[in-house]
Amino acid sequence: GENVEQHPSTLSVQEGDSAVIKCTYSDSASNYFPWYKQELGKGPQLIIDIRSNVGEKKDQRIAVTLNKTAKHFSLHITETQPEDSAVYFCAASRAYKYIFGTGTRLKVLA
Amino acid sequence: GAGVSQSPSNKVTEKGKDVELRCDPISGHTALYWYRQSLGQGLEFLIYFQGNSAPDKSGLPSDRFSAERTGGSVSTLTIQRTQQEDSAVYLCASSLSTPGGANVLTFGAGSRLTVL
Repeated sequence: GENVEQHPSTLSVQEGDSAVIKCTYSDSASNYFPWYKQELGKGPQLIIDIRSNVGEKKDQRIAVTLNKTAKHFSLHITETQPEDSAVYFCAASRAYKYIFGTGTRLKVLA
Repeated sequence: GAGVSQSPSNKVTEKGKDVELRCDPISGHTALYWYRQSLGQGLEFLIYFQGNSAPDKSGLPSDRFSAERTGGSVSTLTIQRTQQEDSAVYLCASSLSTPGGANVLTFGAGSRLTVL
């Protein structure tokens, strides 16, 4: 069946450094790729998304890139801050169907 | 409402008891989803509603699990004869339903179920 692989599962960076999380999807019909941030005890919150007709999207310190040919997409966080510490999930979607990655626990060390 | 509301936020029950978890989606959102998140794990799809019907319930793990949605709004997930492996956070999400997909999911805070 369809799946989304997400790496790494854990990531520790020094405050101010950049963090990159990568996902690979299997369903070539996927056309929407959101990223969610989940803080302890809370539900996932959308932080950025990209559609299949766009290669890159940026929102302040956060950017997402999409390579449809390779079926890869990545989340880039620059100038990381302690409040960026959380679990991040990628997802690939087609119509109503969402396939989520297994999550990346990001720790930003002060 | 302003967001997706779930209740209870925490539920502790004894093995063998039935539980009901409630989700109140964002007003006007026709699509509603239930996911399960076990400790330290990803999001496991359970069921998808479009309006009051459930065209995809393929993720329900057993016949002890059922869900309904009434009035195109509130949904209830019911787990009968709970087992310890049912312990998890149950997340509800809702979205608008637009042609071609690319619907933004908004999640609730979840209901944490502990089965003793």
